[in-house]
Amino acid sequence: EVQVVESGGDLVQPGGSLRLSCAASGFTVNNYYMSWVRQAAGKGLEWVSTVFDGGRTDYADSVKGRFSISRHNSKNMVYLQMNSLRPEDTAVYYCARGDSSGWGPDAFDVWGRGAMVTVS
Amino acid sequence: DIQMTQSPSSLSASVGDRVTITCRTSQTITNYLNWYQQKPGKAPNLLIYAASSLQGGVPSRFSGSGSGTDFTLTISSLQPEDFATYYCQQSSSTPYTFGLGTKLEIK
Repeated sequence: EVQVVESGGDLVQPGGSLRLSCAASGFTVNNYYMSWVRQAAGKGLEWVSTVFDGGRTDYADSVKGRFSISRHNSKNMVYLQMNSLRPEDTAVYYCARGDSSGWGPDAFDVWGRGAMVTVS
Repeated sequence: DIQMTQSPSSLSASVGDRVTITCRTSQTITNYLNWYQQKPGKAPNLLIYAASSLQGGVPSRFSGSGSGTDFTLTISSLQPEDFATYYCQQSSSTPYTFGLGTKLEIK
C-alpha cells in the first residue's frame, strides 16, 4: 500500500527546534517530489517546503532560513527540521507526495494523517 | 507568487444539486491546477489534477475544466458524503499556492 506516515509533532517553546519525520512505504521517495504542507486550526492549506526528485529544495518565504527539508533515500524517509519556531508555526503538518515525471499527477496525490506542532 | 482566488467561500446546497466552484489565478498556469476535498479532522484528498483529469477512485460526478487562469470544479449531483471543504492548488511553480477554500454545507 502506498502511504506516508508523519511523526515528531510536539509542544515546543518559541525559539525552539523540532524535527518532523515522514516514513514512506509502497514507493521510493527519490522518484517523487516530497512536500510538507501545513494547516493552522480552522485555516486553509499552506505549502511549506518541497524536496524535488533531483534533490533541489524550496521553501515558503515564511519559513526560509528557519526550516530545512531533507531526504534519506535508503531509509525512504523525508524530514523537516524546524528551528527558531514561532507561535505562528503552530499547525498540523502534512507530508505529501507529488510526481513531476509526467507519469503521475503533478499534484499532492498521497497525504499522511499529519503531525501536530504547537509552539507556545 | 501566483495568487489564487477561489469562490464562493461557502455554499449551501441540497443532495442532488449541481454545484460549481471557481478558481482564478493571478497569472497563466496552463493546466497546472488541482482540486482537493477535505473533511474535518482528515487530510486533503486529491480529486482532480491537471485541471480536468479525474484521480483514480474519485466518483465521476466530480469534474474539472479550464485552462490559463480560470478553472472550475463541478459536482454534478451532490451526495451526502460530498459535504466538505474544497481547495484549488496550482502546481505550475513554487511557492505552490492554494485557494482559501470553499465550505460546502447542507441546505
